[in-house]
Amino acid sequence: KQEVTQIPAALSVPEGENLVLNCSFTDSAIYNLQWFRQDPGKGLTSLLLIQSSQREQTSGRLNASLDKSSGRSTLYIAASQPGDSATYLCAVRRRGSSNTGKLIFGQGTTLQVKP
Amino acid sequence: GAVVSQHPSRVICKSGTSVKIECRSLDFQATTMFWYRQFPKKSLMLMATSNEGSKATYEQGVEKDKFLINHASLTLSTLTVTSAHPEDSSFYICSAELAGVASDTQYFGPGTRLTVL
Repeated sequence: KQEVTQIPAALSVPEGENLVLNCSFTDSAIYNLQWFRQDPGKGLTSLLLIQSSQREQTSGRLNASLDKSSGRSTLYIAASQPGDSATYLCAVRRRGSSNTGKLIFGQGTTLQVKP
Repeated sequence: GAVVSQHPSRVICKSGTSVKIECRSLDFQATTMFWYRQFPKKSLMLMATSNEGSKATYEQGVEKDKFLINHASLTLSTLTVTSAHPEDSSFYICSAELAGVASDTQYFGPGTRLTVL
């Protein structure tokens, strides 16, 4: 059974700092991995999607890496800003299942960037 | 880009009543829609997968008679919480999968906050 874990559960950093969020998964047979942002009381915004054959994806100040063999992904945020404050969720999509659309989510990391 | 809407955004109801939540893909066709539930400070839990024109597939532990799902068209899926009780209070989020796209990306709705008194 696939399990996704995110550490830390919460993180507080001063503005301008670079930071890394971690995501680990127990089953390396994944189709892809996706990072989402969720603001309080809101839905999910997709940030980056990494296919199983890829190592990393970049978008602006965000860089996500994927190491399937070790079951890990990181989300790197450069030069953090107060507007980056949100909960960040990672989710893996299974491979080879009859329901290939199913996403397994981690518990999220709540980030606070202090001005 | 692909936009998914949910209606209502929040609803308060009395215990014992039924509540219907709509999920619409506004600018694309979605052969598959997903319904998630999220408790405060917790992650999303998949409740069921909804395929257009067929019965929904429910995850283990989710009562199909309690949470009725209908996917009548390629742009609309509904979740009905029947005989709601306070423990059904939660944040419900749907997502829609873009049909025929290799990346199989799911697009998420803004969520519906259900409070059962």
